[in-house]
Formats: sequence, structure tokens, C-alpha cells
Amino acid sequence: SQKIEQNSEALNIQEGKTATLTCNYTNYSPAYLQWYRQDPGRGPVFLLLIRENEKEKRKERLKVTFDTTLKQSLFHITASQPADSATYLCALDSSNTGKLIFGQGTTLQVKP
Amino acid sequence: GAVVSQHPSRVICKSGTSVKIECRSLDFQATTMFWYRQFPKQSLMLMATSNEGSKATYEQGVEKDKFLINHASLTLSTLTVTSAHPEDSSFYICSASFGDYGYTFGSGTRLTVV
Repeated sequence: SQKIEQNSEALNIQEGKTATLTCNYTNYSPAYLQWYRQDPGRGPVFLLLIRENEKEKRKERLKVTFDTTLKQSLFHITASQPADSATYLCALDSSNTGKLIFGQGTTLQVKP
Repeated sequence: GAVVSQHPSRVICKSGTSVKIECRSLDFQATTMFWYRQFPKQSLMLMATSNEGSKATYEQGVEKDKFLINHASLTLSTLTVTSAHPEDSSFYICSASFGDYGYTFGSGTRLTVV
């Protein structure tokens, strides 16, 4: 069956450290994968999109990798700040129709 | 950047009544919008794809007669929850694609049916 899974329900780290979140998928062959941030009671906010032919993408303190062999994407936040505390969702378009399938999200808590 | 405005942000309604949620693309035209539902501590689940000028397509298990979608213009899609029941209480979110910049989402509507 098709699955998209994110590691652990919550991740607690100290301010200044690098947070690494994992997204694994099975039985999909996505052309791209996306990462979103969601704060409580709000809609997701787009962060990064990485295509299947891209190994890595960066945006300020964010870095995303995409390994189509392992069927895994890693999302890194360097020099983390308490303001980075939120739930992070990975998503892929399973059928290239624009319909996004989301992982269950990983809640990140950055402590000062 | 592309903005999707969603209203209302919160609504409480009585069981058996209908509720309309609006989603507008403010600075771009969205021929397609997507409607999601999110239960507490769960991820977003796609309900339906809203297509401008044509019927919406619903995901398996979503009742089209209960969740009416209208996409009458390139900037407005509406979701009407008809004859709402407490189990319909959820967080409803719309989204639209803007190419290589991913998808932009509305701020969501918290529906509580009492």
C-alpha cells in the first residue's frame, strides 16, 4: 500500500542546534516533494519544493534533500530558534494531478 | 506572493444546518482549488478538487451531496457542509497551486457543530 510517513510525533531540541526531520514514502514515484510549516489553528505555509532530479535544495537556514532510491527526504533547520517551533509536513503529488498527499507531520519544539 | 483568503475562520452551527466556507485567490487566478479536512493531531486529508466551471471531483469516501463545492469563477471556490452533524466538526482548509512555488493554503476554517 502507499504510505508517506514522518519520523516521530515530536522532536525537542535546544536552540542553536540543527533539527533534522525525516519523510519516507512507499509505493509512490513523485516528480517532486514539498515541505510545509503549520502553526496551531492555521493553514500550512509552503517552505520548499524539491524535484526528483535535485539532490538538495536550500533556503536560508533550511535545507532539503531528496533520495529517490531510499524514497526519503530529509528536512534540516540549522541554528534553530524558538520561533521555528511548529509542525512540519511533507507532501507529495502522488499522481501528478496536483492532489497533495501529506505525511502526519512532525512537531518541532525548540527550547531556549 | 500568491494569497488565498478563506472565510470564516471559525463557525459554530447547530446540528442540521448548513455552513458555507469561502476561499478566494486574491492576486492570481486559480482554475483548480483543493479542499482538505484536518482532524485534531492528524494530517490533512484531501476531500475534493474544485474545478472552475465544472463539477468537483471527490475523493473516495467523501459524500458529494454532503459537501457541496462550487467554483463559479477563477477566484472563488465555496464548500458548503449541508445538514451538518457533530462528526463534521473539523478544520477545513482550501489551497491552490501556483506553479514551482508549491501550493498556497487558506488560513483554515474551524467548524464546530453543536
